[in-house]
Amino acid sequence: GNSVTQMEGPVTLSEEAFLTINCTYTATGYPSLFWYVQYPGEGLQLLLKATKADDKGSNKGFEATYRKETTSFHLEKGSVQVSDSAVYFCALMGDTGRRALTFGSGTRLQVQP
Amino acid sequence: DAGVIQSPRHEVTEMGQEVTLRCKPISGHDYLFWYRQTMMRGLELLIYFNNNVPIDDSGMPEDRFSAKMPNASFSTLKIQPSEPRDSAVYFCASSLTTYQPQHFGDGTRLSIL
Repeated sequence: GNSVTQMEGPVTLSEEAFLTINCTYTATGYPSLFWYVQYPGEGLQLLLKATKADDKGSNKGFEATYRKETTSFHLEKGSVQVSDSAVYFCALMGDTGRRALTFGSGTRLQVQP
Repeated sequence: DAGVIQSPRHEVTEMGQEVTLRCKPISGHDYLFWYRQTMMRGLELLIYFNNNVPIDDSGMPEDRFSAKMPNASFSTLKIQPSEPRDSAVYFCASSLTTYQPQHFGDGTRLSIL
């Protein structure tokens, strides 16, 4: 079955530091890949997505590139802000079968001023 | 546009009671999903609907859980009888098609005493 593996958190960074959150996946075929962000007390919000190999999703300074050869979709940001503190979820949707998201366990990011 | 609306935001009740969670998807979205989030198991899909018809309920934990979608603008998730291990945050999400991103509500935080 499909699965997503994320790096353990929390990740603690100082403001303006570079961020990488690793995500790898297992799936057959050509899944779509997503990053969602969850702020305290809120639901998940779509941050970015990529639907085919070598696609780069980007939003609000965050980027992730769909790497089929390494089955990865790592999230990066060049300069984090305190307001980026949240939990980040990597997810996939397979191209066949069940039409629902499979989530990773989430990575908590804490950005200190 | 209004997002996915869930009610109540918080529910505290005693074990054995019936619990009903409600969701109003985004207008025009054909897919509706119910997820459960716990510390131990992360985000899990419980059930999803397409055009008001349940498509996959394999994630529903047991017969105490039931979900309905009587029309395109309303869905319920019921737990009867409730147990302390049902305590979690329950999210509803909707999407336009299977290939479009899912939009999440703010969730219902359920505590069973």
